[in-house]
Amino acid sequence: ETGVTQSPTHLIKTRGQQVTLRCSSQSGHNTVSWYQQALGQGPQFIFQYYREEENGRGNFPPRFSGLQFPNYSSELNVNALELDDSALYLCASSLAGGGTGELFFGEGSRLTVL
Amino acid sequence: AQRVTQPEKLLSVFKGAPVELKCNYSYSGSPELFWYVQYSRQRLQLLLRHISRESIKGFTADLNKGETSFHLKKPFAQEEDSAMYYCALRGDFNKFYFGSGTKLNVKP
Repeated sequence: ETGVTQSPTHLIKTRGQQVTLRCSSQSGHNTVSWYQQALGQGPQFIFQYYREEENGRGNFPPRFSGLQFPNYSSELNVNALELDDSALYLCASSLAGGGTGELFFGEGSRLTVL
Repeated sequence: AQRVTQPEKLLSVFKGAPVELKCNYSYSGSPELFWYVQYSRQRLQLLLRHISRESIKGFTADLNKGETSFHLKKPFAQEEDSAMYYCALRGDFNKFYFGSGTKLNVKP
């Protein structure tokens, strides 16, 4: 059984640039959600994808967007980066509809915006 | 509005002492509460869920709707329990609301 993998693990960008983060879901999971975790805070829900469509979104501006592919992997795109976007971005996969409520997390992508 | 509050950022106890990590929530519907844990150099993972009413690694948590709380308890802490603990509430569309976390440090 393959766990959730994310890439890249670390990256540095400058303000105004764009970034793409990638996630491969756990084998058998067709739902992927993305979370932003700022330093000293808990994860904050960005959005969720199921069957290649966004089906839930948190309080994030439209410059945060995503994709899910037929193999259930996913991308998070952030345009016009701001300093406050510096955070750990976590991907989590789960069974359809959330199942029992267990999220399987990746190790995260740490983004630094200068 | 949905919210999860963990009032303690850090909790230090000695090995063998009881532990209680506090969690309070606000939610208009019927809540589903969870505890997630992150051990050093590991990824965030589920510890337990209220609906299962189970004990995992000696930890239990009871949902108290009157006090809107879901405190995590263990009667005798072990050094390997040292970790970051997050209380979480599941809302619509499988959207999870996490608290800011409590770091548990169990001293020998």
